Amino acid sequence: GQQLNQSPQSMFIQEGEDVSMNCTSSSIFNTWLWYKQDPGEGPVLLIALYKAGELTSNGRLTAQFGITRKDSFLNISASIPSDVGIYFCAGLPTAGGTSYGKLTFGQGTILTVHP
Amino acid sequence: EPEVTQTPSHQVTQMGQEVILRCVPISNHLYFYWYRQILGQKVEFLVSFYNNEISEKSEIFDDQFSVERPDGSNFTLKIRSTKLEDSAMYFCASRIMDHGYTFGSGTRLTVV
Repeated sequence: GQQLNQSPQSMFIQEGEDVSMNCTSSSIFNTWLWYKQDPGEGPVLLIALYKAGELTSNGRLTAQFGITRKDSFLNISASIPSDVGIYFCAGLPTAGGTSYGKLTFGQGTILTVHP
Repeated sequence: EPEVTQTPSHQVTQMGQEVILRCVPISNHLYFYWYRQILGQKVEFLVSFYNNEISEKSEIFDDQFSVERPDGSNFTLKIRSTKLEDSAMYFCASRIMDHGYTFGSGTRLTVV
């Protein structure tokens, strides 16, 4: 099946620092999604990307859909303590394939922000 | 903001018992999903449901699992005879067309 490799696995940063994480795949995705998960909660959508090359911002978050359709990154600028959590990338495969509509998740990046 | 609602938030069951996890998707959504997340691991796809039938299922979704949309609003996941390894967070999700999923807050299932 399709796999997403997400890195880094974890990050420990100081409040105010910028953060970058990325996902790569051996196969093409039609849509890239970035989610944040707090303990005991479901994933909450942060940013959705629908076109190769697309760069989208949501407040201090910026994400890009790679030109090759096989990668995406998420940047968080000027981190604050409430950014703590697990960040997941997720991909929807090329439309029309047998896996259309099924999300494949990365392994997650655990972010810790020290005040 | 519309939400996907899941009940119960936590369920403890004895091994071998049947459990039913309940979800109320967003009302105008057309596609419904169940995912699970074993503690400390990534979220994994279980099953997708569209037009009152399963459209895709993973290898995890064996004969012990079933899904139902018994009325116009509920979407349920049944595990017939639970095993210890079924312990996980189970997330329901729904979406409309090609856009981002909305996930529920999950049901933590503990099999003892």
